[in-house]
Amino acid sequence: DAGVIQSPRHEVTEMGQEVTLRCKPISGHDYLFWYRQTMMRGLELLIYFNNNVPIDDSGMPEDRFSAKMPNASFSTLKIQPSEPRDSAVYFCASSRTIPSTDTQYFGPGTRLTVL
Amino acid sequence: DAKTTQPPSMDCAEGRAANLPCNHSTISGNEYVYWYRQIHSQGPQYIIHGLKNNETNEMASLIITEDRKSSTLILPHATLRDTAVYYCIVGYSTLTFGKGTMLLVSP
Repeated sequence: DAGVIQSPRHEVTEMGQEVTLRCKPISGHDYLFWYRQTMMRGLELLIYFNNNVPIDDSGMPEDRFSAKMPNASFSTLKIQPSEPRDSAVYFCASSRTIPSTDTQYFGPGTRLTVL
Repeated sequence: DAKTTQPPSMDCAEGRAANLPCNHSTISGNEYVYWYRQIHSQGPQYIIHGLKNNETNEMASLIITEDRKSSTLILPHATLRDTAVYYCIVGYSTLTFGKGTMLLVSP
């Protein structure tokens, strides 16, 4: 298996633009997680899905952020409009079950820079 | 907030055992102890997890005290490639990452 795939790996955009980050989880994994990592706040869970359904989005910072999972093999995290403070590395992770009995496999991340 | 306390940094000589401590005095009965690590610019990588008993796999050993209020991750023969930030996490359903311990393995 290729592991969790994220695209793009790097994204540079200007303030106010829409940004879409993409993730393909490991086949057969029922859970998908989106994290954000910054120097100030560390690694934060934004939202997670079970069987394509959002379960907990309490970590989503504000309405500018939205996430979807239209099918078991694809998820997007969208920021509209983007702001400089959104600059961070965004990780996607997946697991077969909830983490208590399984591990999370992380993708390589998307480094977002908003100018 | 993370429920764990870890030293911000540790050093280890290559080939020696690295013992990374973690305090989690407020751990609940059904919460697991997980260890992940993050090598610079990469996504976090799972190392090991446990509930009550000590655990060992090909990467490391996890020692959990009997009262479950603390644990130690042991890398038996550290290599330069083990230089990373190591996160100790307690939880049941989701993972809350703290600041971790920056382990520097030197020749």
